[in-house]
Amino acid sequence: GQQLNQSPQSMFIQEGEDVSMNCTSSSIFNTWLWYKQEPGEGPVLLIALYKAGELTSNGRLTAQFGITRKDSFLNISASIPSDVGIYFCAGRNSGNTPLVFGKGTRLSVIA
Amino acid sequence: GAVVSQHPSRVICKSGTSVKIECRSLDFQATTMFWYRQFPKQSLMLMATSNEGSKATYEQGVEKDKFLINHASLTLSTLTVTSAHPEDSSFYICSARDGRGRGETQYFGPGTRLLVL
Repeated sequence: GQQLNQSPQSMFIQEGEDVSMNCTSSSIFNTWLWYKQEPGEGPVLLIALYKAGELTSNGRLTAQFGITRKDSFLNISASIPSDVGIYFCAGRNSGNTPLVFGKGTRLSVIA
Repeated sequence: GAVVSQHPSRVICKSGTSVKIECRSLDFQATTMFWYRQFPKQSLMLMATSNEGSKATYEQGVEKDKFLINHASLTLSTLTVTSAHPEDSSFYICSARDGRGRGETQYFGPGTRLLVL
């Protein structure tokens, strides 16, 4: 099925550094969602975006809905060890269609 | 955020037996739930969309007779893996659509790890 292009695939960063990851799509979305998944767990919703250009924060996390509606990014500031996990973007172009997921960004934080 | 529970969290069964996994939305009603399968180090693969009071919609390549879905109430969907085989071993995750608030979002359960011997 359709997938989003999510990058980078993996990141190794030092504790305290900022992180940025993004997703792009060939089609327009009207909803972007960002999730974090830890080993053996289901994805946990971090941020939901519903409007082009929207910038939303959740603690040290900030995500933006691209103005073209074909991309979104997630930033994590001042990373800490518990930020380790896989981050997934997901998008939907209408209310009745299933979410399309990116392949995930695997984040490792070195203390 | 909303809470979605899943039971059991892990199950080991013998080949040929059937396994039922329950997914519940605990603090909201979900007319639509989704069942995903996830292989190690891969993204989530949508298996089917479960609609309350109607038949599930299966994705291409997913056998509806093998993966039976029942969405009998607004807070419960079940996935039954019938005549399980070792290749059905996987991490199964349900998700529920939440239409409250200013936009629809989706919350996931904690997942069920199935091991078929």
